Amino acid sequence: DAGVIQSPRHEVTEMGQEVTLRCKPISGHDYLFWYRQTMMRGLELLIYFNNNVPIDDSGMPEDRFSAKMPNASFSTLKIQPSEPRDSAVYFCASSLAGVNTGELFFGEGSRLTVL
Amino acid sequence: AQRVTQPEKLLSVFKGAPVELKCNYSYSGSPELFWYVQYSRQRLQLLLRHISRESIKGFTADLNKGETSFHLKKPFAQEEDSAMYYCALRGSSGTYKYIFGTGTRLKVLA
Repeated sequence: DAGVIQSPRHEVTEMGQEVTLRCKPISGHDYLFWYRQTMMRGLELLIYFNNNVPIDDSGMPEDRFSAKMPNASFSTLKIQPSEPRDSAVYFCASSLAGVNTGELFFGEGSRLTVL
Repeated sequence: AQRVTQPEKLLSVFKGAPVELKCNYSYSGSPELFWYVQYSRQRLQLLLRHISRESIKGFTADLNKGETSFHLKKPFAQEEDSAMYYCALRGSSGTYKYIFGTGTRLKVLA
């Protein structure tokens, strides 16, 4: 397995544009998490899914952010409209709850720069 | 509410010196605690978990429920230990909310 796959790896956009980040979790994993990494706040949990259903989206900053998981192998995080303060590295991670190790497997991240 | 606190953003030590990365947590139940590490140009990866009581790359961490701490320790730091370290907490009792602290950058100086 290639692990968790995220795209794009880098995105530079202008303020006001729509941004869509994508994630393919490890096959068979039933939990998927989206995090935002910044110097000031570290890794912030934005939202997580269990079996494609959003469980907790309390970390989503505001209505400009939305996330979907239409099936077990794909998730998106959308920002519309984007703002400079959204610049960060966005990570997707997946896990298998049945295996009680609790390990999260991370993607390589999507580095977003909003000008 | 779940919370993980890492008070140090940066910790610099000399090679061979002991290392302690601090982590305190807040959680009403019995949490599971983890340490993750991010080496330069690599993915975030699990370093160790409290339930395993293991030593990985010379690092250990003991869960102290009285002090609500899970500090990461290594007796003799190596240059290859330089990385970003995150303490993490996963809720129990059916919740799977997985939160992280703000991270500590460890620099081991030659």
